[in-house]
Amino acid sequence: GENVEQHPSTLSVQEGDSAVIKCTYSDSASNYFPWYKQELGKRPQLIIDIRSNVGEKKDQRIAVTLNKTAKHFSLHITETQPEDSAVYFCAAQGEYNFNKFYFGSGTKLNVKP
Amino acid sequence: DSGVTQTPKHLITATGQRVTLRCSPRSGDLSVYWYQQSLDQGLQFLIHYYNGEERAKGNILERFSAQQFPDLHSELNLSSLELGDSALYFCASSVGGRAWGGDTQYFGPGTRLTVL
Repeated sequence: GENVEQHPSTLSVQEGDSAVIKCTYSDSASNYFPWYKQELGKRPQLIIDIRSNVGEKKDQRIAVTLNKTAKHFSLHITETQPEDSAVYFCAAQGEYNFNKFYFGSGTKLNVKP
Repeated sequence: DSGVTQTPKHLITATGQRVTLRCSPRSGDLSVYWYQQSLDQGLQFLIHYYNGEERAKGNILERFSAQQFPDLHSELNLSSLELGDSALYFCASSVGGRAWGGDTQYFGPGTRLTVL
């Protein structure tokens, strides 16, 4: 089955700096890669996603890049703000096994004011 | 608000007991997924239902079972509870039924289960 690895497990940045979180996946058939943000005690919320026919997608301060050859994708947050502090999860879903989402282990982002 | 509802919000029970968690998907969504999240842990996939049928199982214990009803709501049953079952249980829903992947999942607010 699919295996998604996420790094780093914790990330501390100064307000205004950029943050990058990386995920690798093992199943070359995976073709959908969402990112979720989870604040303490709350539900995971989709912040951005990318499909395998696209290499990069941006939404204001957030961007996701996908390298299918290397089987990795990354979340980029620019101009970080304290409200970006949360746990971020990446996930992968397969074309032929779309009944499962495989989540990474999460990255705890702390943005220091 | 994602449109996915879960009840109850909190549940406190004793070891050995049985509980039922309920999830109502977003209007129009046919797929329901269940996840377990222990303290400071990631999301562990438990089970997926599509239009009333079980489609995939993850790391779900034999003491746990689920079903999806004709009105598409789903219930997760946890029996012979142990201390280690204390966790946040999320359900998520998606449109489902695609022949390919790419189904966005929307999460409910979760049920916090505490086993004493």
